[in-house]
Amino acid sequence: DVKVTQSSRYLVKRTGEKVFLECVQDMDHENMFWYRQDPGLGLRLIYFSYDVKMKEKGDIPEGYSVSREKKERFSLILESASTNQTSMYLCATKQTNEKLFFGSGTQLSVL
Amino acid sequence: DQQVKQNSPSLSVQEGRISILNCDYTNSMFDYFLWYKKYPAEGPTFLISISSIKDKNEDGRFTVFLNKSAKHLSLHIVPSQPGDSAVYFCAASPGTGANNLFFGTGTRLTVIP
Repeated sequence: DVKVTQSSRYLVKRTGEKVFLECVQDMDHENMFWYRQDPGLGLRLIYFSYDVKMKEKGDIPEGYSVSREKKERFSLILESASTNQTSMYLCATKQTNEKLFFGSGTQLSVL
Repeated sequence: DQQVKQNSPSLSVQEGRISILNCDYTNSMFDYFLWYKKYPAEGPTFLISISSIKDKNEDGRFTVFLNKSAKHLSLHIVPSQPGDSAVYFCAASPGTGANNLFFGTGTRLTVIP
Protein backbone atom coordinates (compact mmCIF):
# COMPACT_ATOMS: atom_id res chain seq x y z
CA ASP A 1 0.00 0.00 0.00
CA VAL A 2 1.05 3.54 -0.72
CA LYS A 3 1.98 5.48 2.37
CA VAL A 4 1.77 9.26 2.39
CA THR A 5 2.94 10.73 5.67
CA GLN A 6 2.31 14.28 6.79
CA SER A 7 4.54 15.41 9.61
CA SER A 8 1.87 16.94 11.85
CA ARG A 9 -1.81 16.17 12.43
CA TYR A 10 -2.49 19.43 14.25
CA LEU A 11 -0.57 22.68 14.18
CA VAL A 12 -1.21 26.03 15.84
CA LYS A 13 0.72 29.07 14.63
CA ARG A 14 0.59 32.82 15.09
CA THR A 15 -0.10 35.38 12.38
CA GLY A 16 3.09 36.30 10.55
CA GLU A 17 4.97 33.12 11.37
CA LYS A 18 6.67 31.08 8.67
CA VAL A 19 5.10 27.62 8.55
CA PHE A 20 6.47 24.43 7.01
CA LEU A 21 4.25 21.46 6.24
CA GLU A 22 6.10 18.31 5.28
CA CYS A 23 4.93 15.35 3.25
CA VAL A 24 6.79 12.13 2.52
CA GLN A 25 5.72 9.27 0.25
CA ASP A 26 7.21 5.81 0.01
CA MET A 27 6.09 4.63 -3.44
CA ASP A 28 8.43 6.48 -5.78
CA HIS A 29 5.54 8.38 -7.37
CA GLU A 30 6.38 11.16 -9.80
CA ASN A 31 3.58 13.53 -8.89
CA MET A 32 2.89 15.16 -5.54
CA PHE A 33 0.19 17.64 -4.63
CA TRP A 34 -0.89 20.01 -1.88
CA TYR A 35 -4.60 20.66 -1.40
CA ARG A 36 -6.53 22.55 1.20
CA GLN A 37 -9.98 21.53 2.31
CA ASP A 38 -12.49 24.04 3.62
CA PRO A 39 -16.16 23.47 4.46
CA GLY A 40 -18.37 24.20 1.49
CA LEU A 41 -15.41 24.64 -0.84
CA GLY A 42 -14.21 21.08 -1.29
CA LEU A 43 -10.58 20.36 -2.07
CA ARG A 44 -8.65 23.10 -3.81
CA LEU A 45 -5.24 22.59 -5.35
CA ILE A 46 -2.47 24.86 -4.08
CA TYR A 47 0.61 23.52 -5.88
CA PHE A 48 1.79 20.34 -7.47
CA SER A 49 5.10 18.89 -8.55
CA TYR A 50 5.72 16.38 -11.34
CA ASP A 51 9.43 15.92 -10.71
CA VAL A 52 12.24 16.90 -8.37
CA LYS A 53 12.69 20.68 -8.33
CA MET A 54 9.69 21.11 -10.65
CA LYS A 55 6.51 22.81 -9.49
CA GLU A 56 3.31 24.14 -10.94
CA LYS A 57 0.77 26.52 -9.44
CA GLY A 58 -2.66 25.19 -8.73
CA ASP A 59 -5.86 27.12 -8.27
CA ILE A 60 -4.94 29.02 -5.10
CA PRO A 61 -1.14 29.47 -4.86
CA GLU A 62 -1.16 32.96 -3.34
CA GLY A 63 0.56 33.08 0.02
CA TYR A 64 2.18 29.68 -0.45
CA SER A 65 5.37 28.26 -1.87
CA VAL A 66 6.66 24.70 -2.22
CA SER A 67 9.89 22.81 -2.29
CA ARG A 68 10.76 19.44 -3.78
CA GLU A 69 14.43 18.68 -3.32
CA LYS A 70 13.98 14.90 -3.21
CA LYS A 71 11.49 12.74 -5.03
CA GLU A 72 9.86 11.43 -1.88
CA ARG A 73 9.44 14.75 -0.08
CA PHE A 74 7.21 17.71 -0.91
CA SER A 75 7.03 20.69 1.44
CA LEU A 76 4.43 23.43 1.60
CA ILE A 77 5.59 26.77 2.99
CA LEU A 78 3.44 29.57 4.30
CA GLU A 79 5.80 32.53 4.12
CA SER A 80 3.80 34.67 6.55
CA ALA A 81 0.81 32.85 7.98
CA SER A 82 -2.53 34.64 8.04
CA THR A 83 -5.81 33.73 9.70
CA ASN A 84 -7.44 32.96 6.34
CA GLN A 85 -4.93 30.15 5.92
CA THR A 86 -6.53 28.25 8.79
CA SER A 87 -7.55 25.04 7.06
CA MET A 88 -7.06 21.31 6.62
CA TYR A 89 -4.04 20.72 4.38
CA LEU A 90 -3.84 17.49 2.44
CA CYS A 91 -0.84 16.09 0.64
CA ALA A 92 -1.40 13.61 -2.19
CA THR A 93 0.68 11.59 -4.57
CA LYS A 94 0.10 9.68 -7.76
CA GLN A 95 1.88 7.91 -10.53
CA THR A 96 0.89 8.64 -14.10
CA ASN A 97 -2.50 7.18 -15.03
CA GLU A 98 -3.36 6.31 -11.47
CA LYS A 99 -5.54 7.67 -8.76
CA LEU A 100 -4.49 10.07 -6.02
CA PHE A 101 -3.38 8.76 -2.65
CA PHE A 102 -3.82 11.16 0.24
CA GLY A 103 -2.08 11.64 3.55
CA SER A 104 -4.05 12.00 6.78
CA GLY A 105 -4.00 15.77 6.64
CA THR A 106 -2.71 18.60 8.83
CA GLN A 107 -5.26 20.79 10.56
CA LEU A 108 -3.57 24.18 10.76
CA SER A 109 -4.92 26.95 12.96
CA VAL A 110 -3.48 30.43 12.57
CA LEU A 111 -4.26 32.71 15.51
CA ASP B 1 -15.47 28.75 -11.19
CA GLN B 2 -16.57 25.38 -9.84
CA GLN B 3 -16.29 22.87 -12.67
CA VAL B 4 -17.49 19.98 -10.54
CA LYS B 5 -20.58 20.51 -8.42
CA GLN B 6 -22.22 18.53 -5.68
CA ASN B 7 -25.41 20.42 -4.98
CA SER B 8 -26.47 18.46 -1.91
CA PRO B 9 -24.26 19.28 1.06
CA SER B 10 -25.82 16.52 3.14
CA LEU B 11 -27.89 13.37 2.87
CA SER B 12 -29.45 11.13 5.53
CA VAL B 13 -30.48 7.56 4.79
CA GLN B 14 -31.77 4.66 6.87
CA GLU B 15 -29.49 1.67 7.25
CA GLY B 16 -30.21 -0.93 4.58
CA ARG B 17 -31.69 1.55 2.11
CA ILE B 18 -30.07 2.97 -1.00
CA SER B 19 -27.91 6.11 -0.85
CA ILE B 20 -27.66 8.16 -4.04
CA LEU B 21 -25.06 10.89 -4.24
CA ASN B 22 -25.08 13.18 -7.25
CA CYS B 23 -22.44 15.15 -9.08
CA ASP B 24 -22.56 17.50 -12.08
CA TYR B 25 -19.71 18.84 -14.17
CA THR B 26 -19.41 21.57 -16.74
CA ASN B 27 -16.19 20.80 -18.62
CA SER B 28 -16.80 18.51 -21.60
CA MET B 29 -13.08 17.67 -21.66
CA PHE B 30 -13.42 15.61 -18.47
CA ASP B 31 -13.29 11.94 -19.30
CA TYR B 32 -12.31 10.23 -16.08
CA PHE B 33 -14.30 10.46 -12.86
CA LEU B 34 -13.66 9.30 -9.33
CA TRP B 35 -15.38 9.19 -5.98
CA TYR B 36 -13.48 9.64 -2.75
CA LYS B 37 -14.68 9.05 0.79
CA LYS B 38 -13.43 11.05 3.74
CA TYR B 39 -13.80 10.39 7.45
CA PRO B 40 -13.15 13.22 9.95
CA ALA B 41 -9.46 13.86 10.66
CA GLU B 42 -8.39 11.49 7.88
CA GLY B 43 -7.35 11.99 4.28
CA PRO B 44 -9.75 11.07 1.46
CA THR B 45 -9.60 7.48 0.26
CA PHE B 46 -10.39 6.32 -3.23
CA LEU B 47 -13.70 4.54 -3.61
CA ILE B 48 -14.53 3.93 -7.26
CA SER B 49 -13.88 5.42 -10.68
CA ILE B 50 -15.33 5.42 -14.18
CA SER B 51 -13.99 6.24 -17.59
CA SER B 52 -16.11 8.14 -20.09
CA ILE B 53 -16.21 5.10 -22.38
CA LYS B 54 -18.47 3.42 -19.83
CA ASP B 55 -21.79 4.39 -18.34
CA LYS B 56 -21.65 2.17 -15.29
CA ASN B 57 -19.03 0.68 -13.00
CA GLU B 58 -19.76 -1.56 -10.06
CA ASP B 59 -17.68 -2.61 -7.08
CA GLY B 60 -19.53 -4.53 -4.41
CA ARG B 61 -22.11 -2.27 -2.79
CA PHE B 62 -20.92 0.75 -4.78
CA THR B 63 -22.01 1.60 -8.32
CA VAL B 64 -21.17 4.73 -10.26
CA PHE B 65 -23.34 5.81 -13.18
CA LEU B 66 -22.22 8.30 -15.82
CA ASN B 67 -24.54 10.25 -18.11
CA LYS B 68 -22.23 12.11 -20.48
CA SER B 69 -24.96 13.95 -22.35
CA ALA B 70 -26.26 15.40 -19.08
CA LYS B 71 -22.73 15.83 -17.66
CA HIS B 72 -23.93 14.03 -14.56
CA LEU B 73 -22.71 11.15 -12.46
CA SER B 74 -24.08 9.46 -9.42
CA LEU B 75 -22.84 7.08 -6.75
CA HIS B 76 -25.24 4.43 -5.48
CA ILE B 77 -24.57 2.60 -2.23
CA VAL B 78 -26.75 -0.45 -1.63
CA PRO B 79 -27.37 -1.41 1.09
CA SER B 80 -26.19 1.56 3.11
CA GLN B 81 -24.38 0.82 6.37
CA PRO B 82 -23.57 3.07 9.35
CA GLY B 83 -19.86 2.77 8.49
CA ASP B 84 -20.62 4.52 5.19
CA SER B 85 -21.27 7.75 7.09
CA ALA B 86 -18.62 10.12 5.73
CA VAL B 87 -18.11 13.00 3.32
CA TYR B 88 -18.07 11.90 -0.31
CA PHE B 89 -16.19 13.90 -2.93
CA CYS B 90 -16.71 13.61 -6.63
CA ALA B 91 -13.65 14.36 -8.79
CA ALA B 92 -13.02 14.71 -12.51
CA SER B 93 -10.00 14.69 -14.74
CA PRO B 94 -9.35 15.50 -18.41
CA GLY B 95 -7.78 12.09 -18.97
CA THR B 96 -6.21 9.41 -16.82
CA GLY B 97 -2.78 10.85 -17.50
CA ALA B 98 -3.62 14.35 -16.39
CA ASN B 99 -1.87 15.66 -13.32
CA ASN B 100 -4.77 17.30 -11.59
CA LEU B 101 -8.19 16.34 -10.37
CA PHE B 102 -11.04 18.80 -10.00
CA PHE B 103 -13.07 18.15 -6.87
CA GLY B 104 -16.64 18.89 -5.93
CA THR B 105 -17.54 20.46 -2.61
CA GLY B 106 -18.56 17.17 -1.02
CA THR B 107 -21.74 15.57 0.33
CA ARG B 108 -21.94 14.47 3.94
CA LEU B 109 -23.74 11.13 4.12
CA THR B 110 -25.27 10.02 7.40
CA VAL B 111 -26.57 6.47 7.60
CA ILE B 112 -29.01 6.11 10.47
CA PRO B 113 -28.99 2.73 12.24
